[in-house]
Amino acid sequence: QKEVEQDPGPLSVPEGAIVSLNCTYSNSAFQYFMWYRQYSRKGPELLMYTYSSGNKEDGRFTAQVDKSSKYISLFIRDSQPSDSATYLCAMSAAGGTSYGKLTFGQGTILTVHP
Amino acid sequence: DGGITQSPKYLFRKEGQNVTLSCEQNLNHDAMYWYRQDPGQGLRLIYYSQIVNDFQKGDIAEGYSVSREKKESFPLTVTSAQKNPTAFYLCASSPVAFKITDQPQHFGDGTRLSIL
Repeated sequence: QKEVEQDPGPLSVPEGAIVSLNCTYSNSAFQYFMWYRQYSRKGPELLMYTYSSGNKEDGRFTAQVDKSSKYISLFIRDSQPSDSATYLCAMSAAGGTSYGKLTFGQGTILTVHP
Repeated sequence: DGGITQSPKYLFRKEGQNVTLSCEQNLNHDAMYWYRQDPGQGLRLIYYSQIVNDFQKGDIAEGYSVSREKKESFPLTVTSAQKNPTAFYLCASSPVAFKITDQPQHFGDGTRLSIL
């Protein structure tokens, strides 16, 4: 079983829809949670970064972390065709030899059609 | 502008050949990382370095080597021992090493390596 599981999709939605992307994980030591967006033939760009449980909002994007369920989500409101990309969740434990080591999900391919 | 530069964008390797992928950053970041991305598998860590002249193996280091002689540079060599090198290679960096609070990683735009 992988440490981080992410539904690869693909996911296709109409413009304006609310998109929900999810990851589950098994390592209870993970404390830092990130969402990256990756356009085709480009490197991932950081979208959201949260520590421990709770919600974080940035414009149309909301990240949720539920450590008790080992489950994280990214919501995209009023989705746009420019949101079409692969979305990667990533997480990290704190300190020691695990420092900076990210574990990634497989990525979800999202297409928003006009 | 500050950022991470990977070169070349595309690279072809012949059988038995070693090839080196370049990664340079002008963000003054301490830590640098190399990842491999295969379709449907996310990113897997090859090597990372938290400080100059020091580096550690990641999850899939076999067939790869690195050096960290300068803070801004972290080249990756794909050796002939790596039997399945075709992949998208991504370099990343993060600001500070050896601190309790983690720092998010920022990525370059990758090098796509193929076998001739």
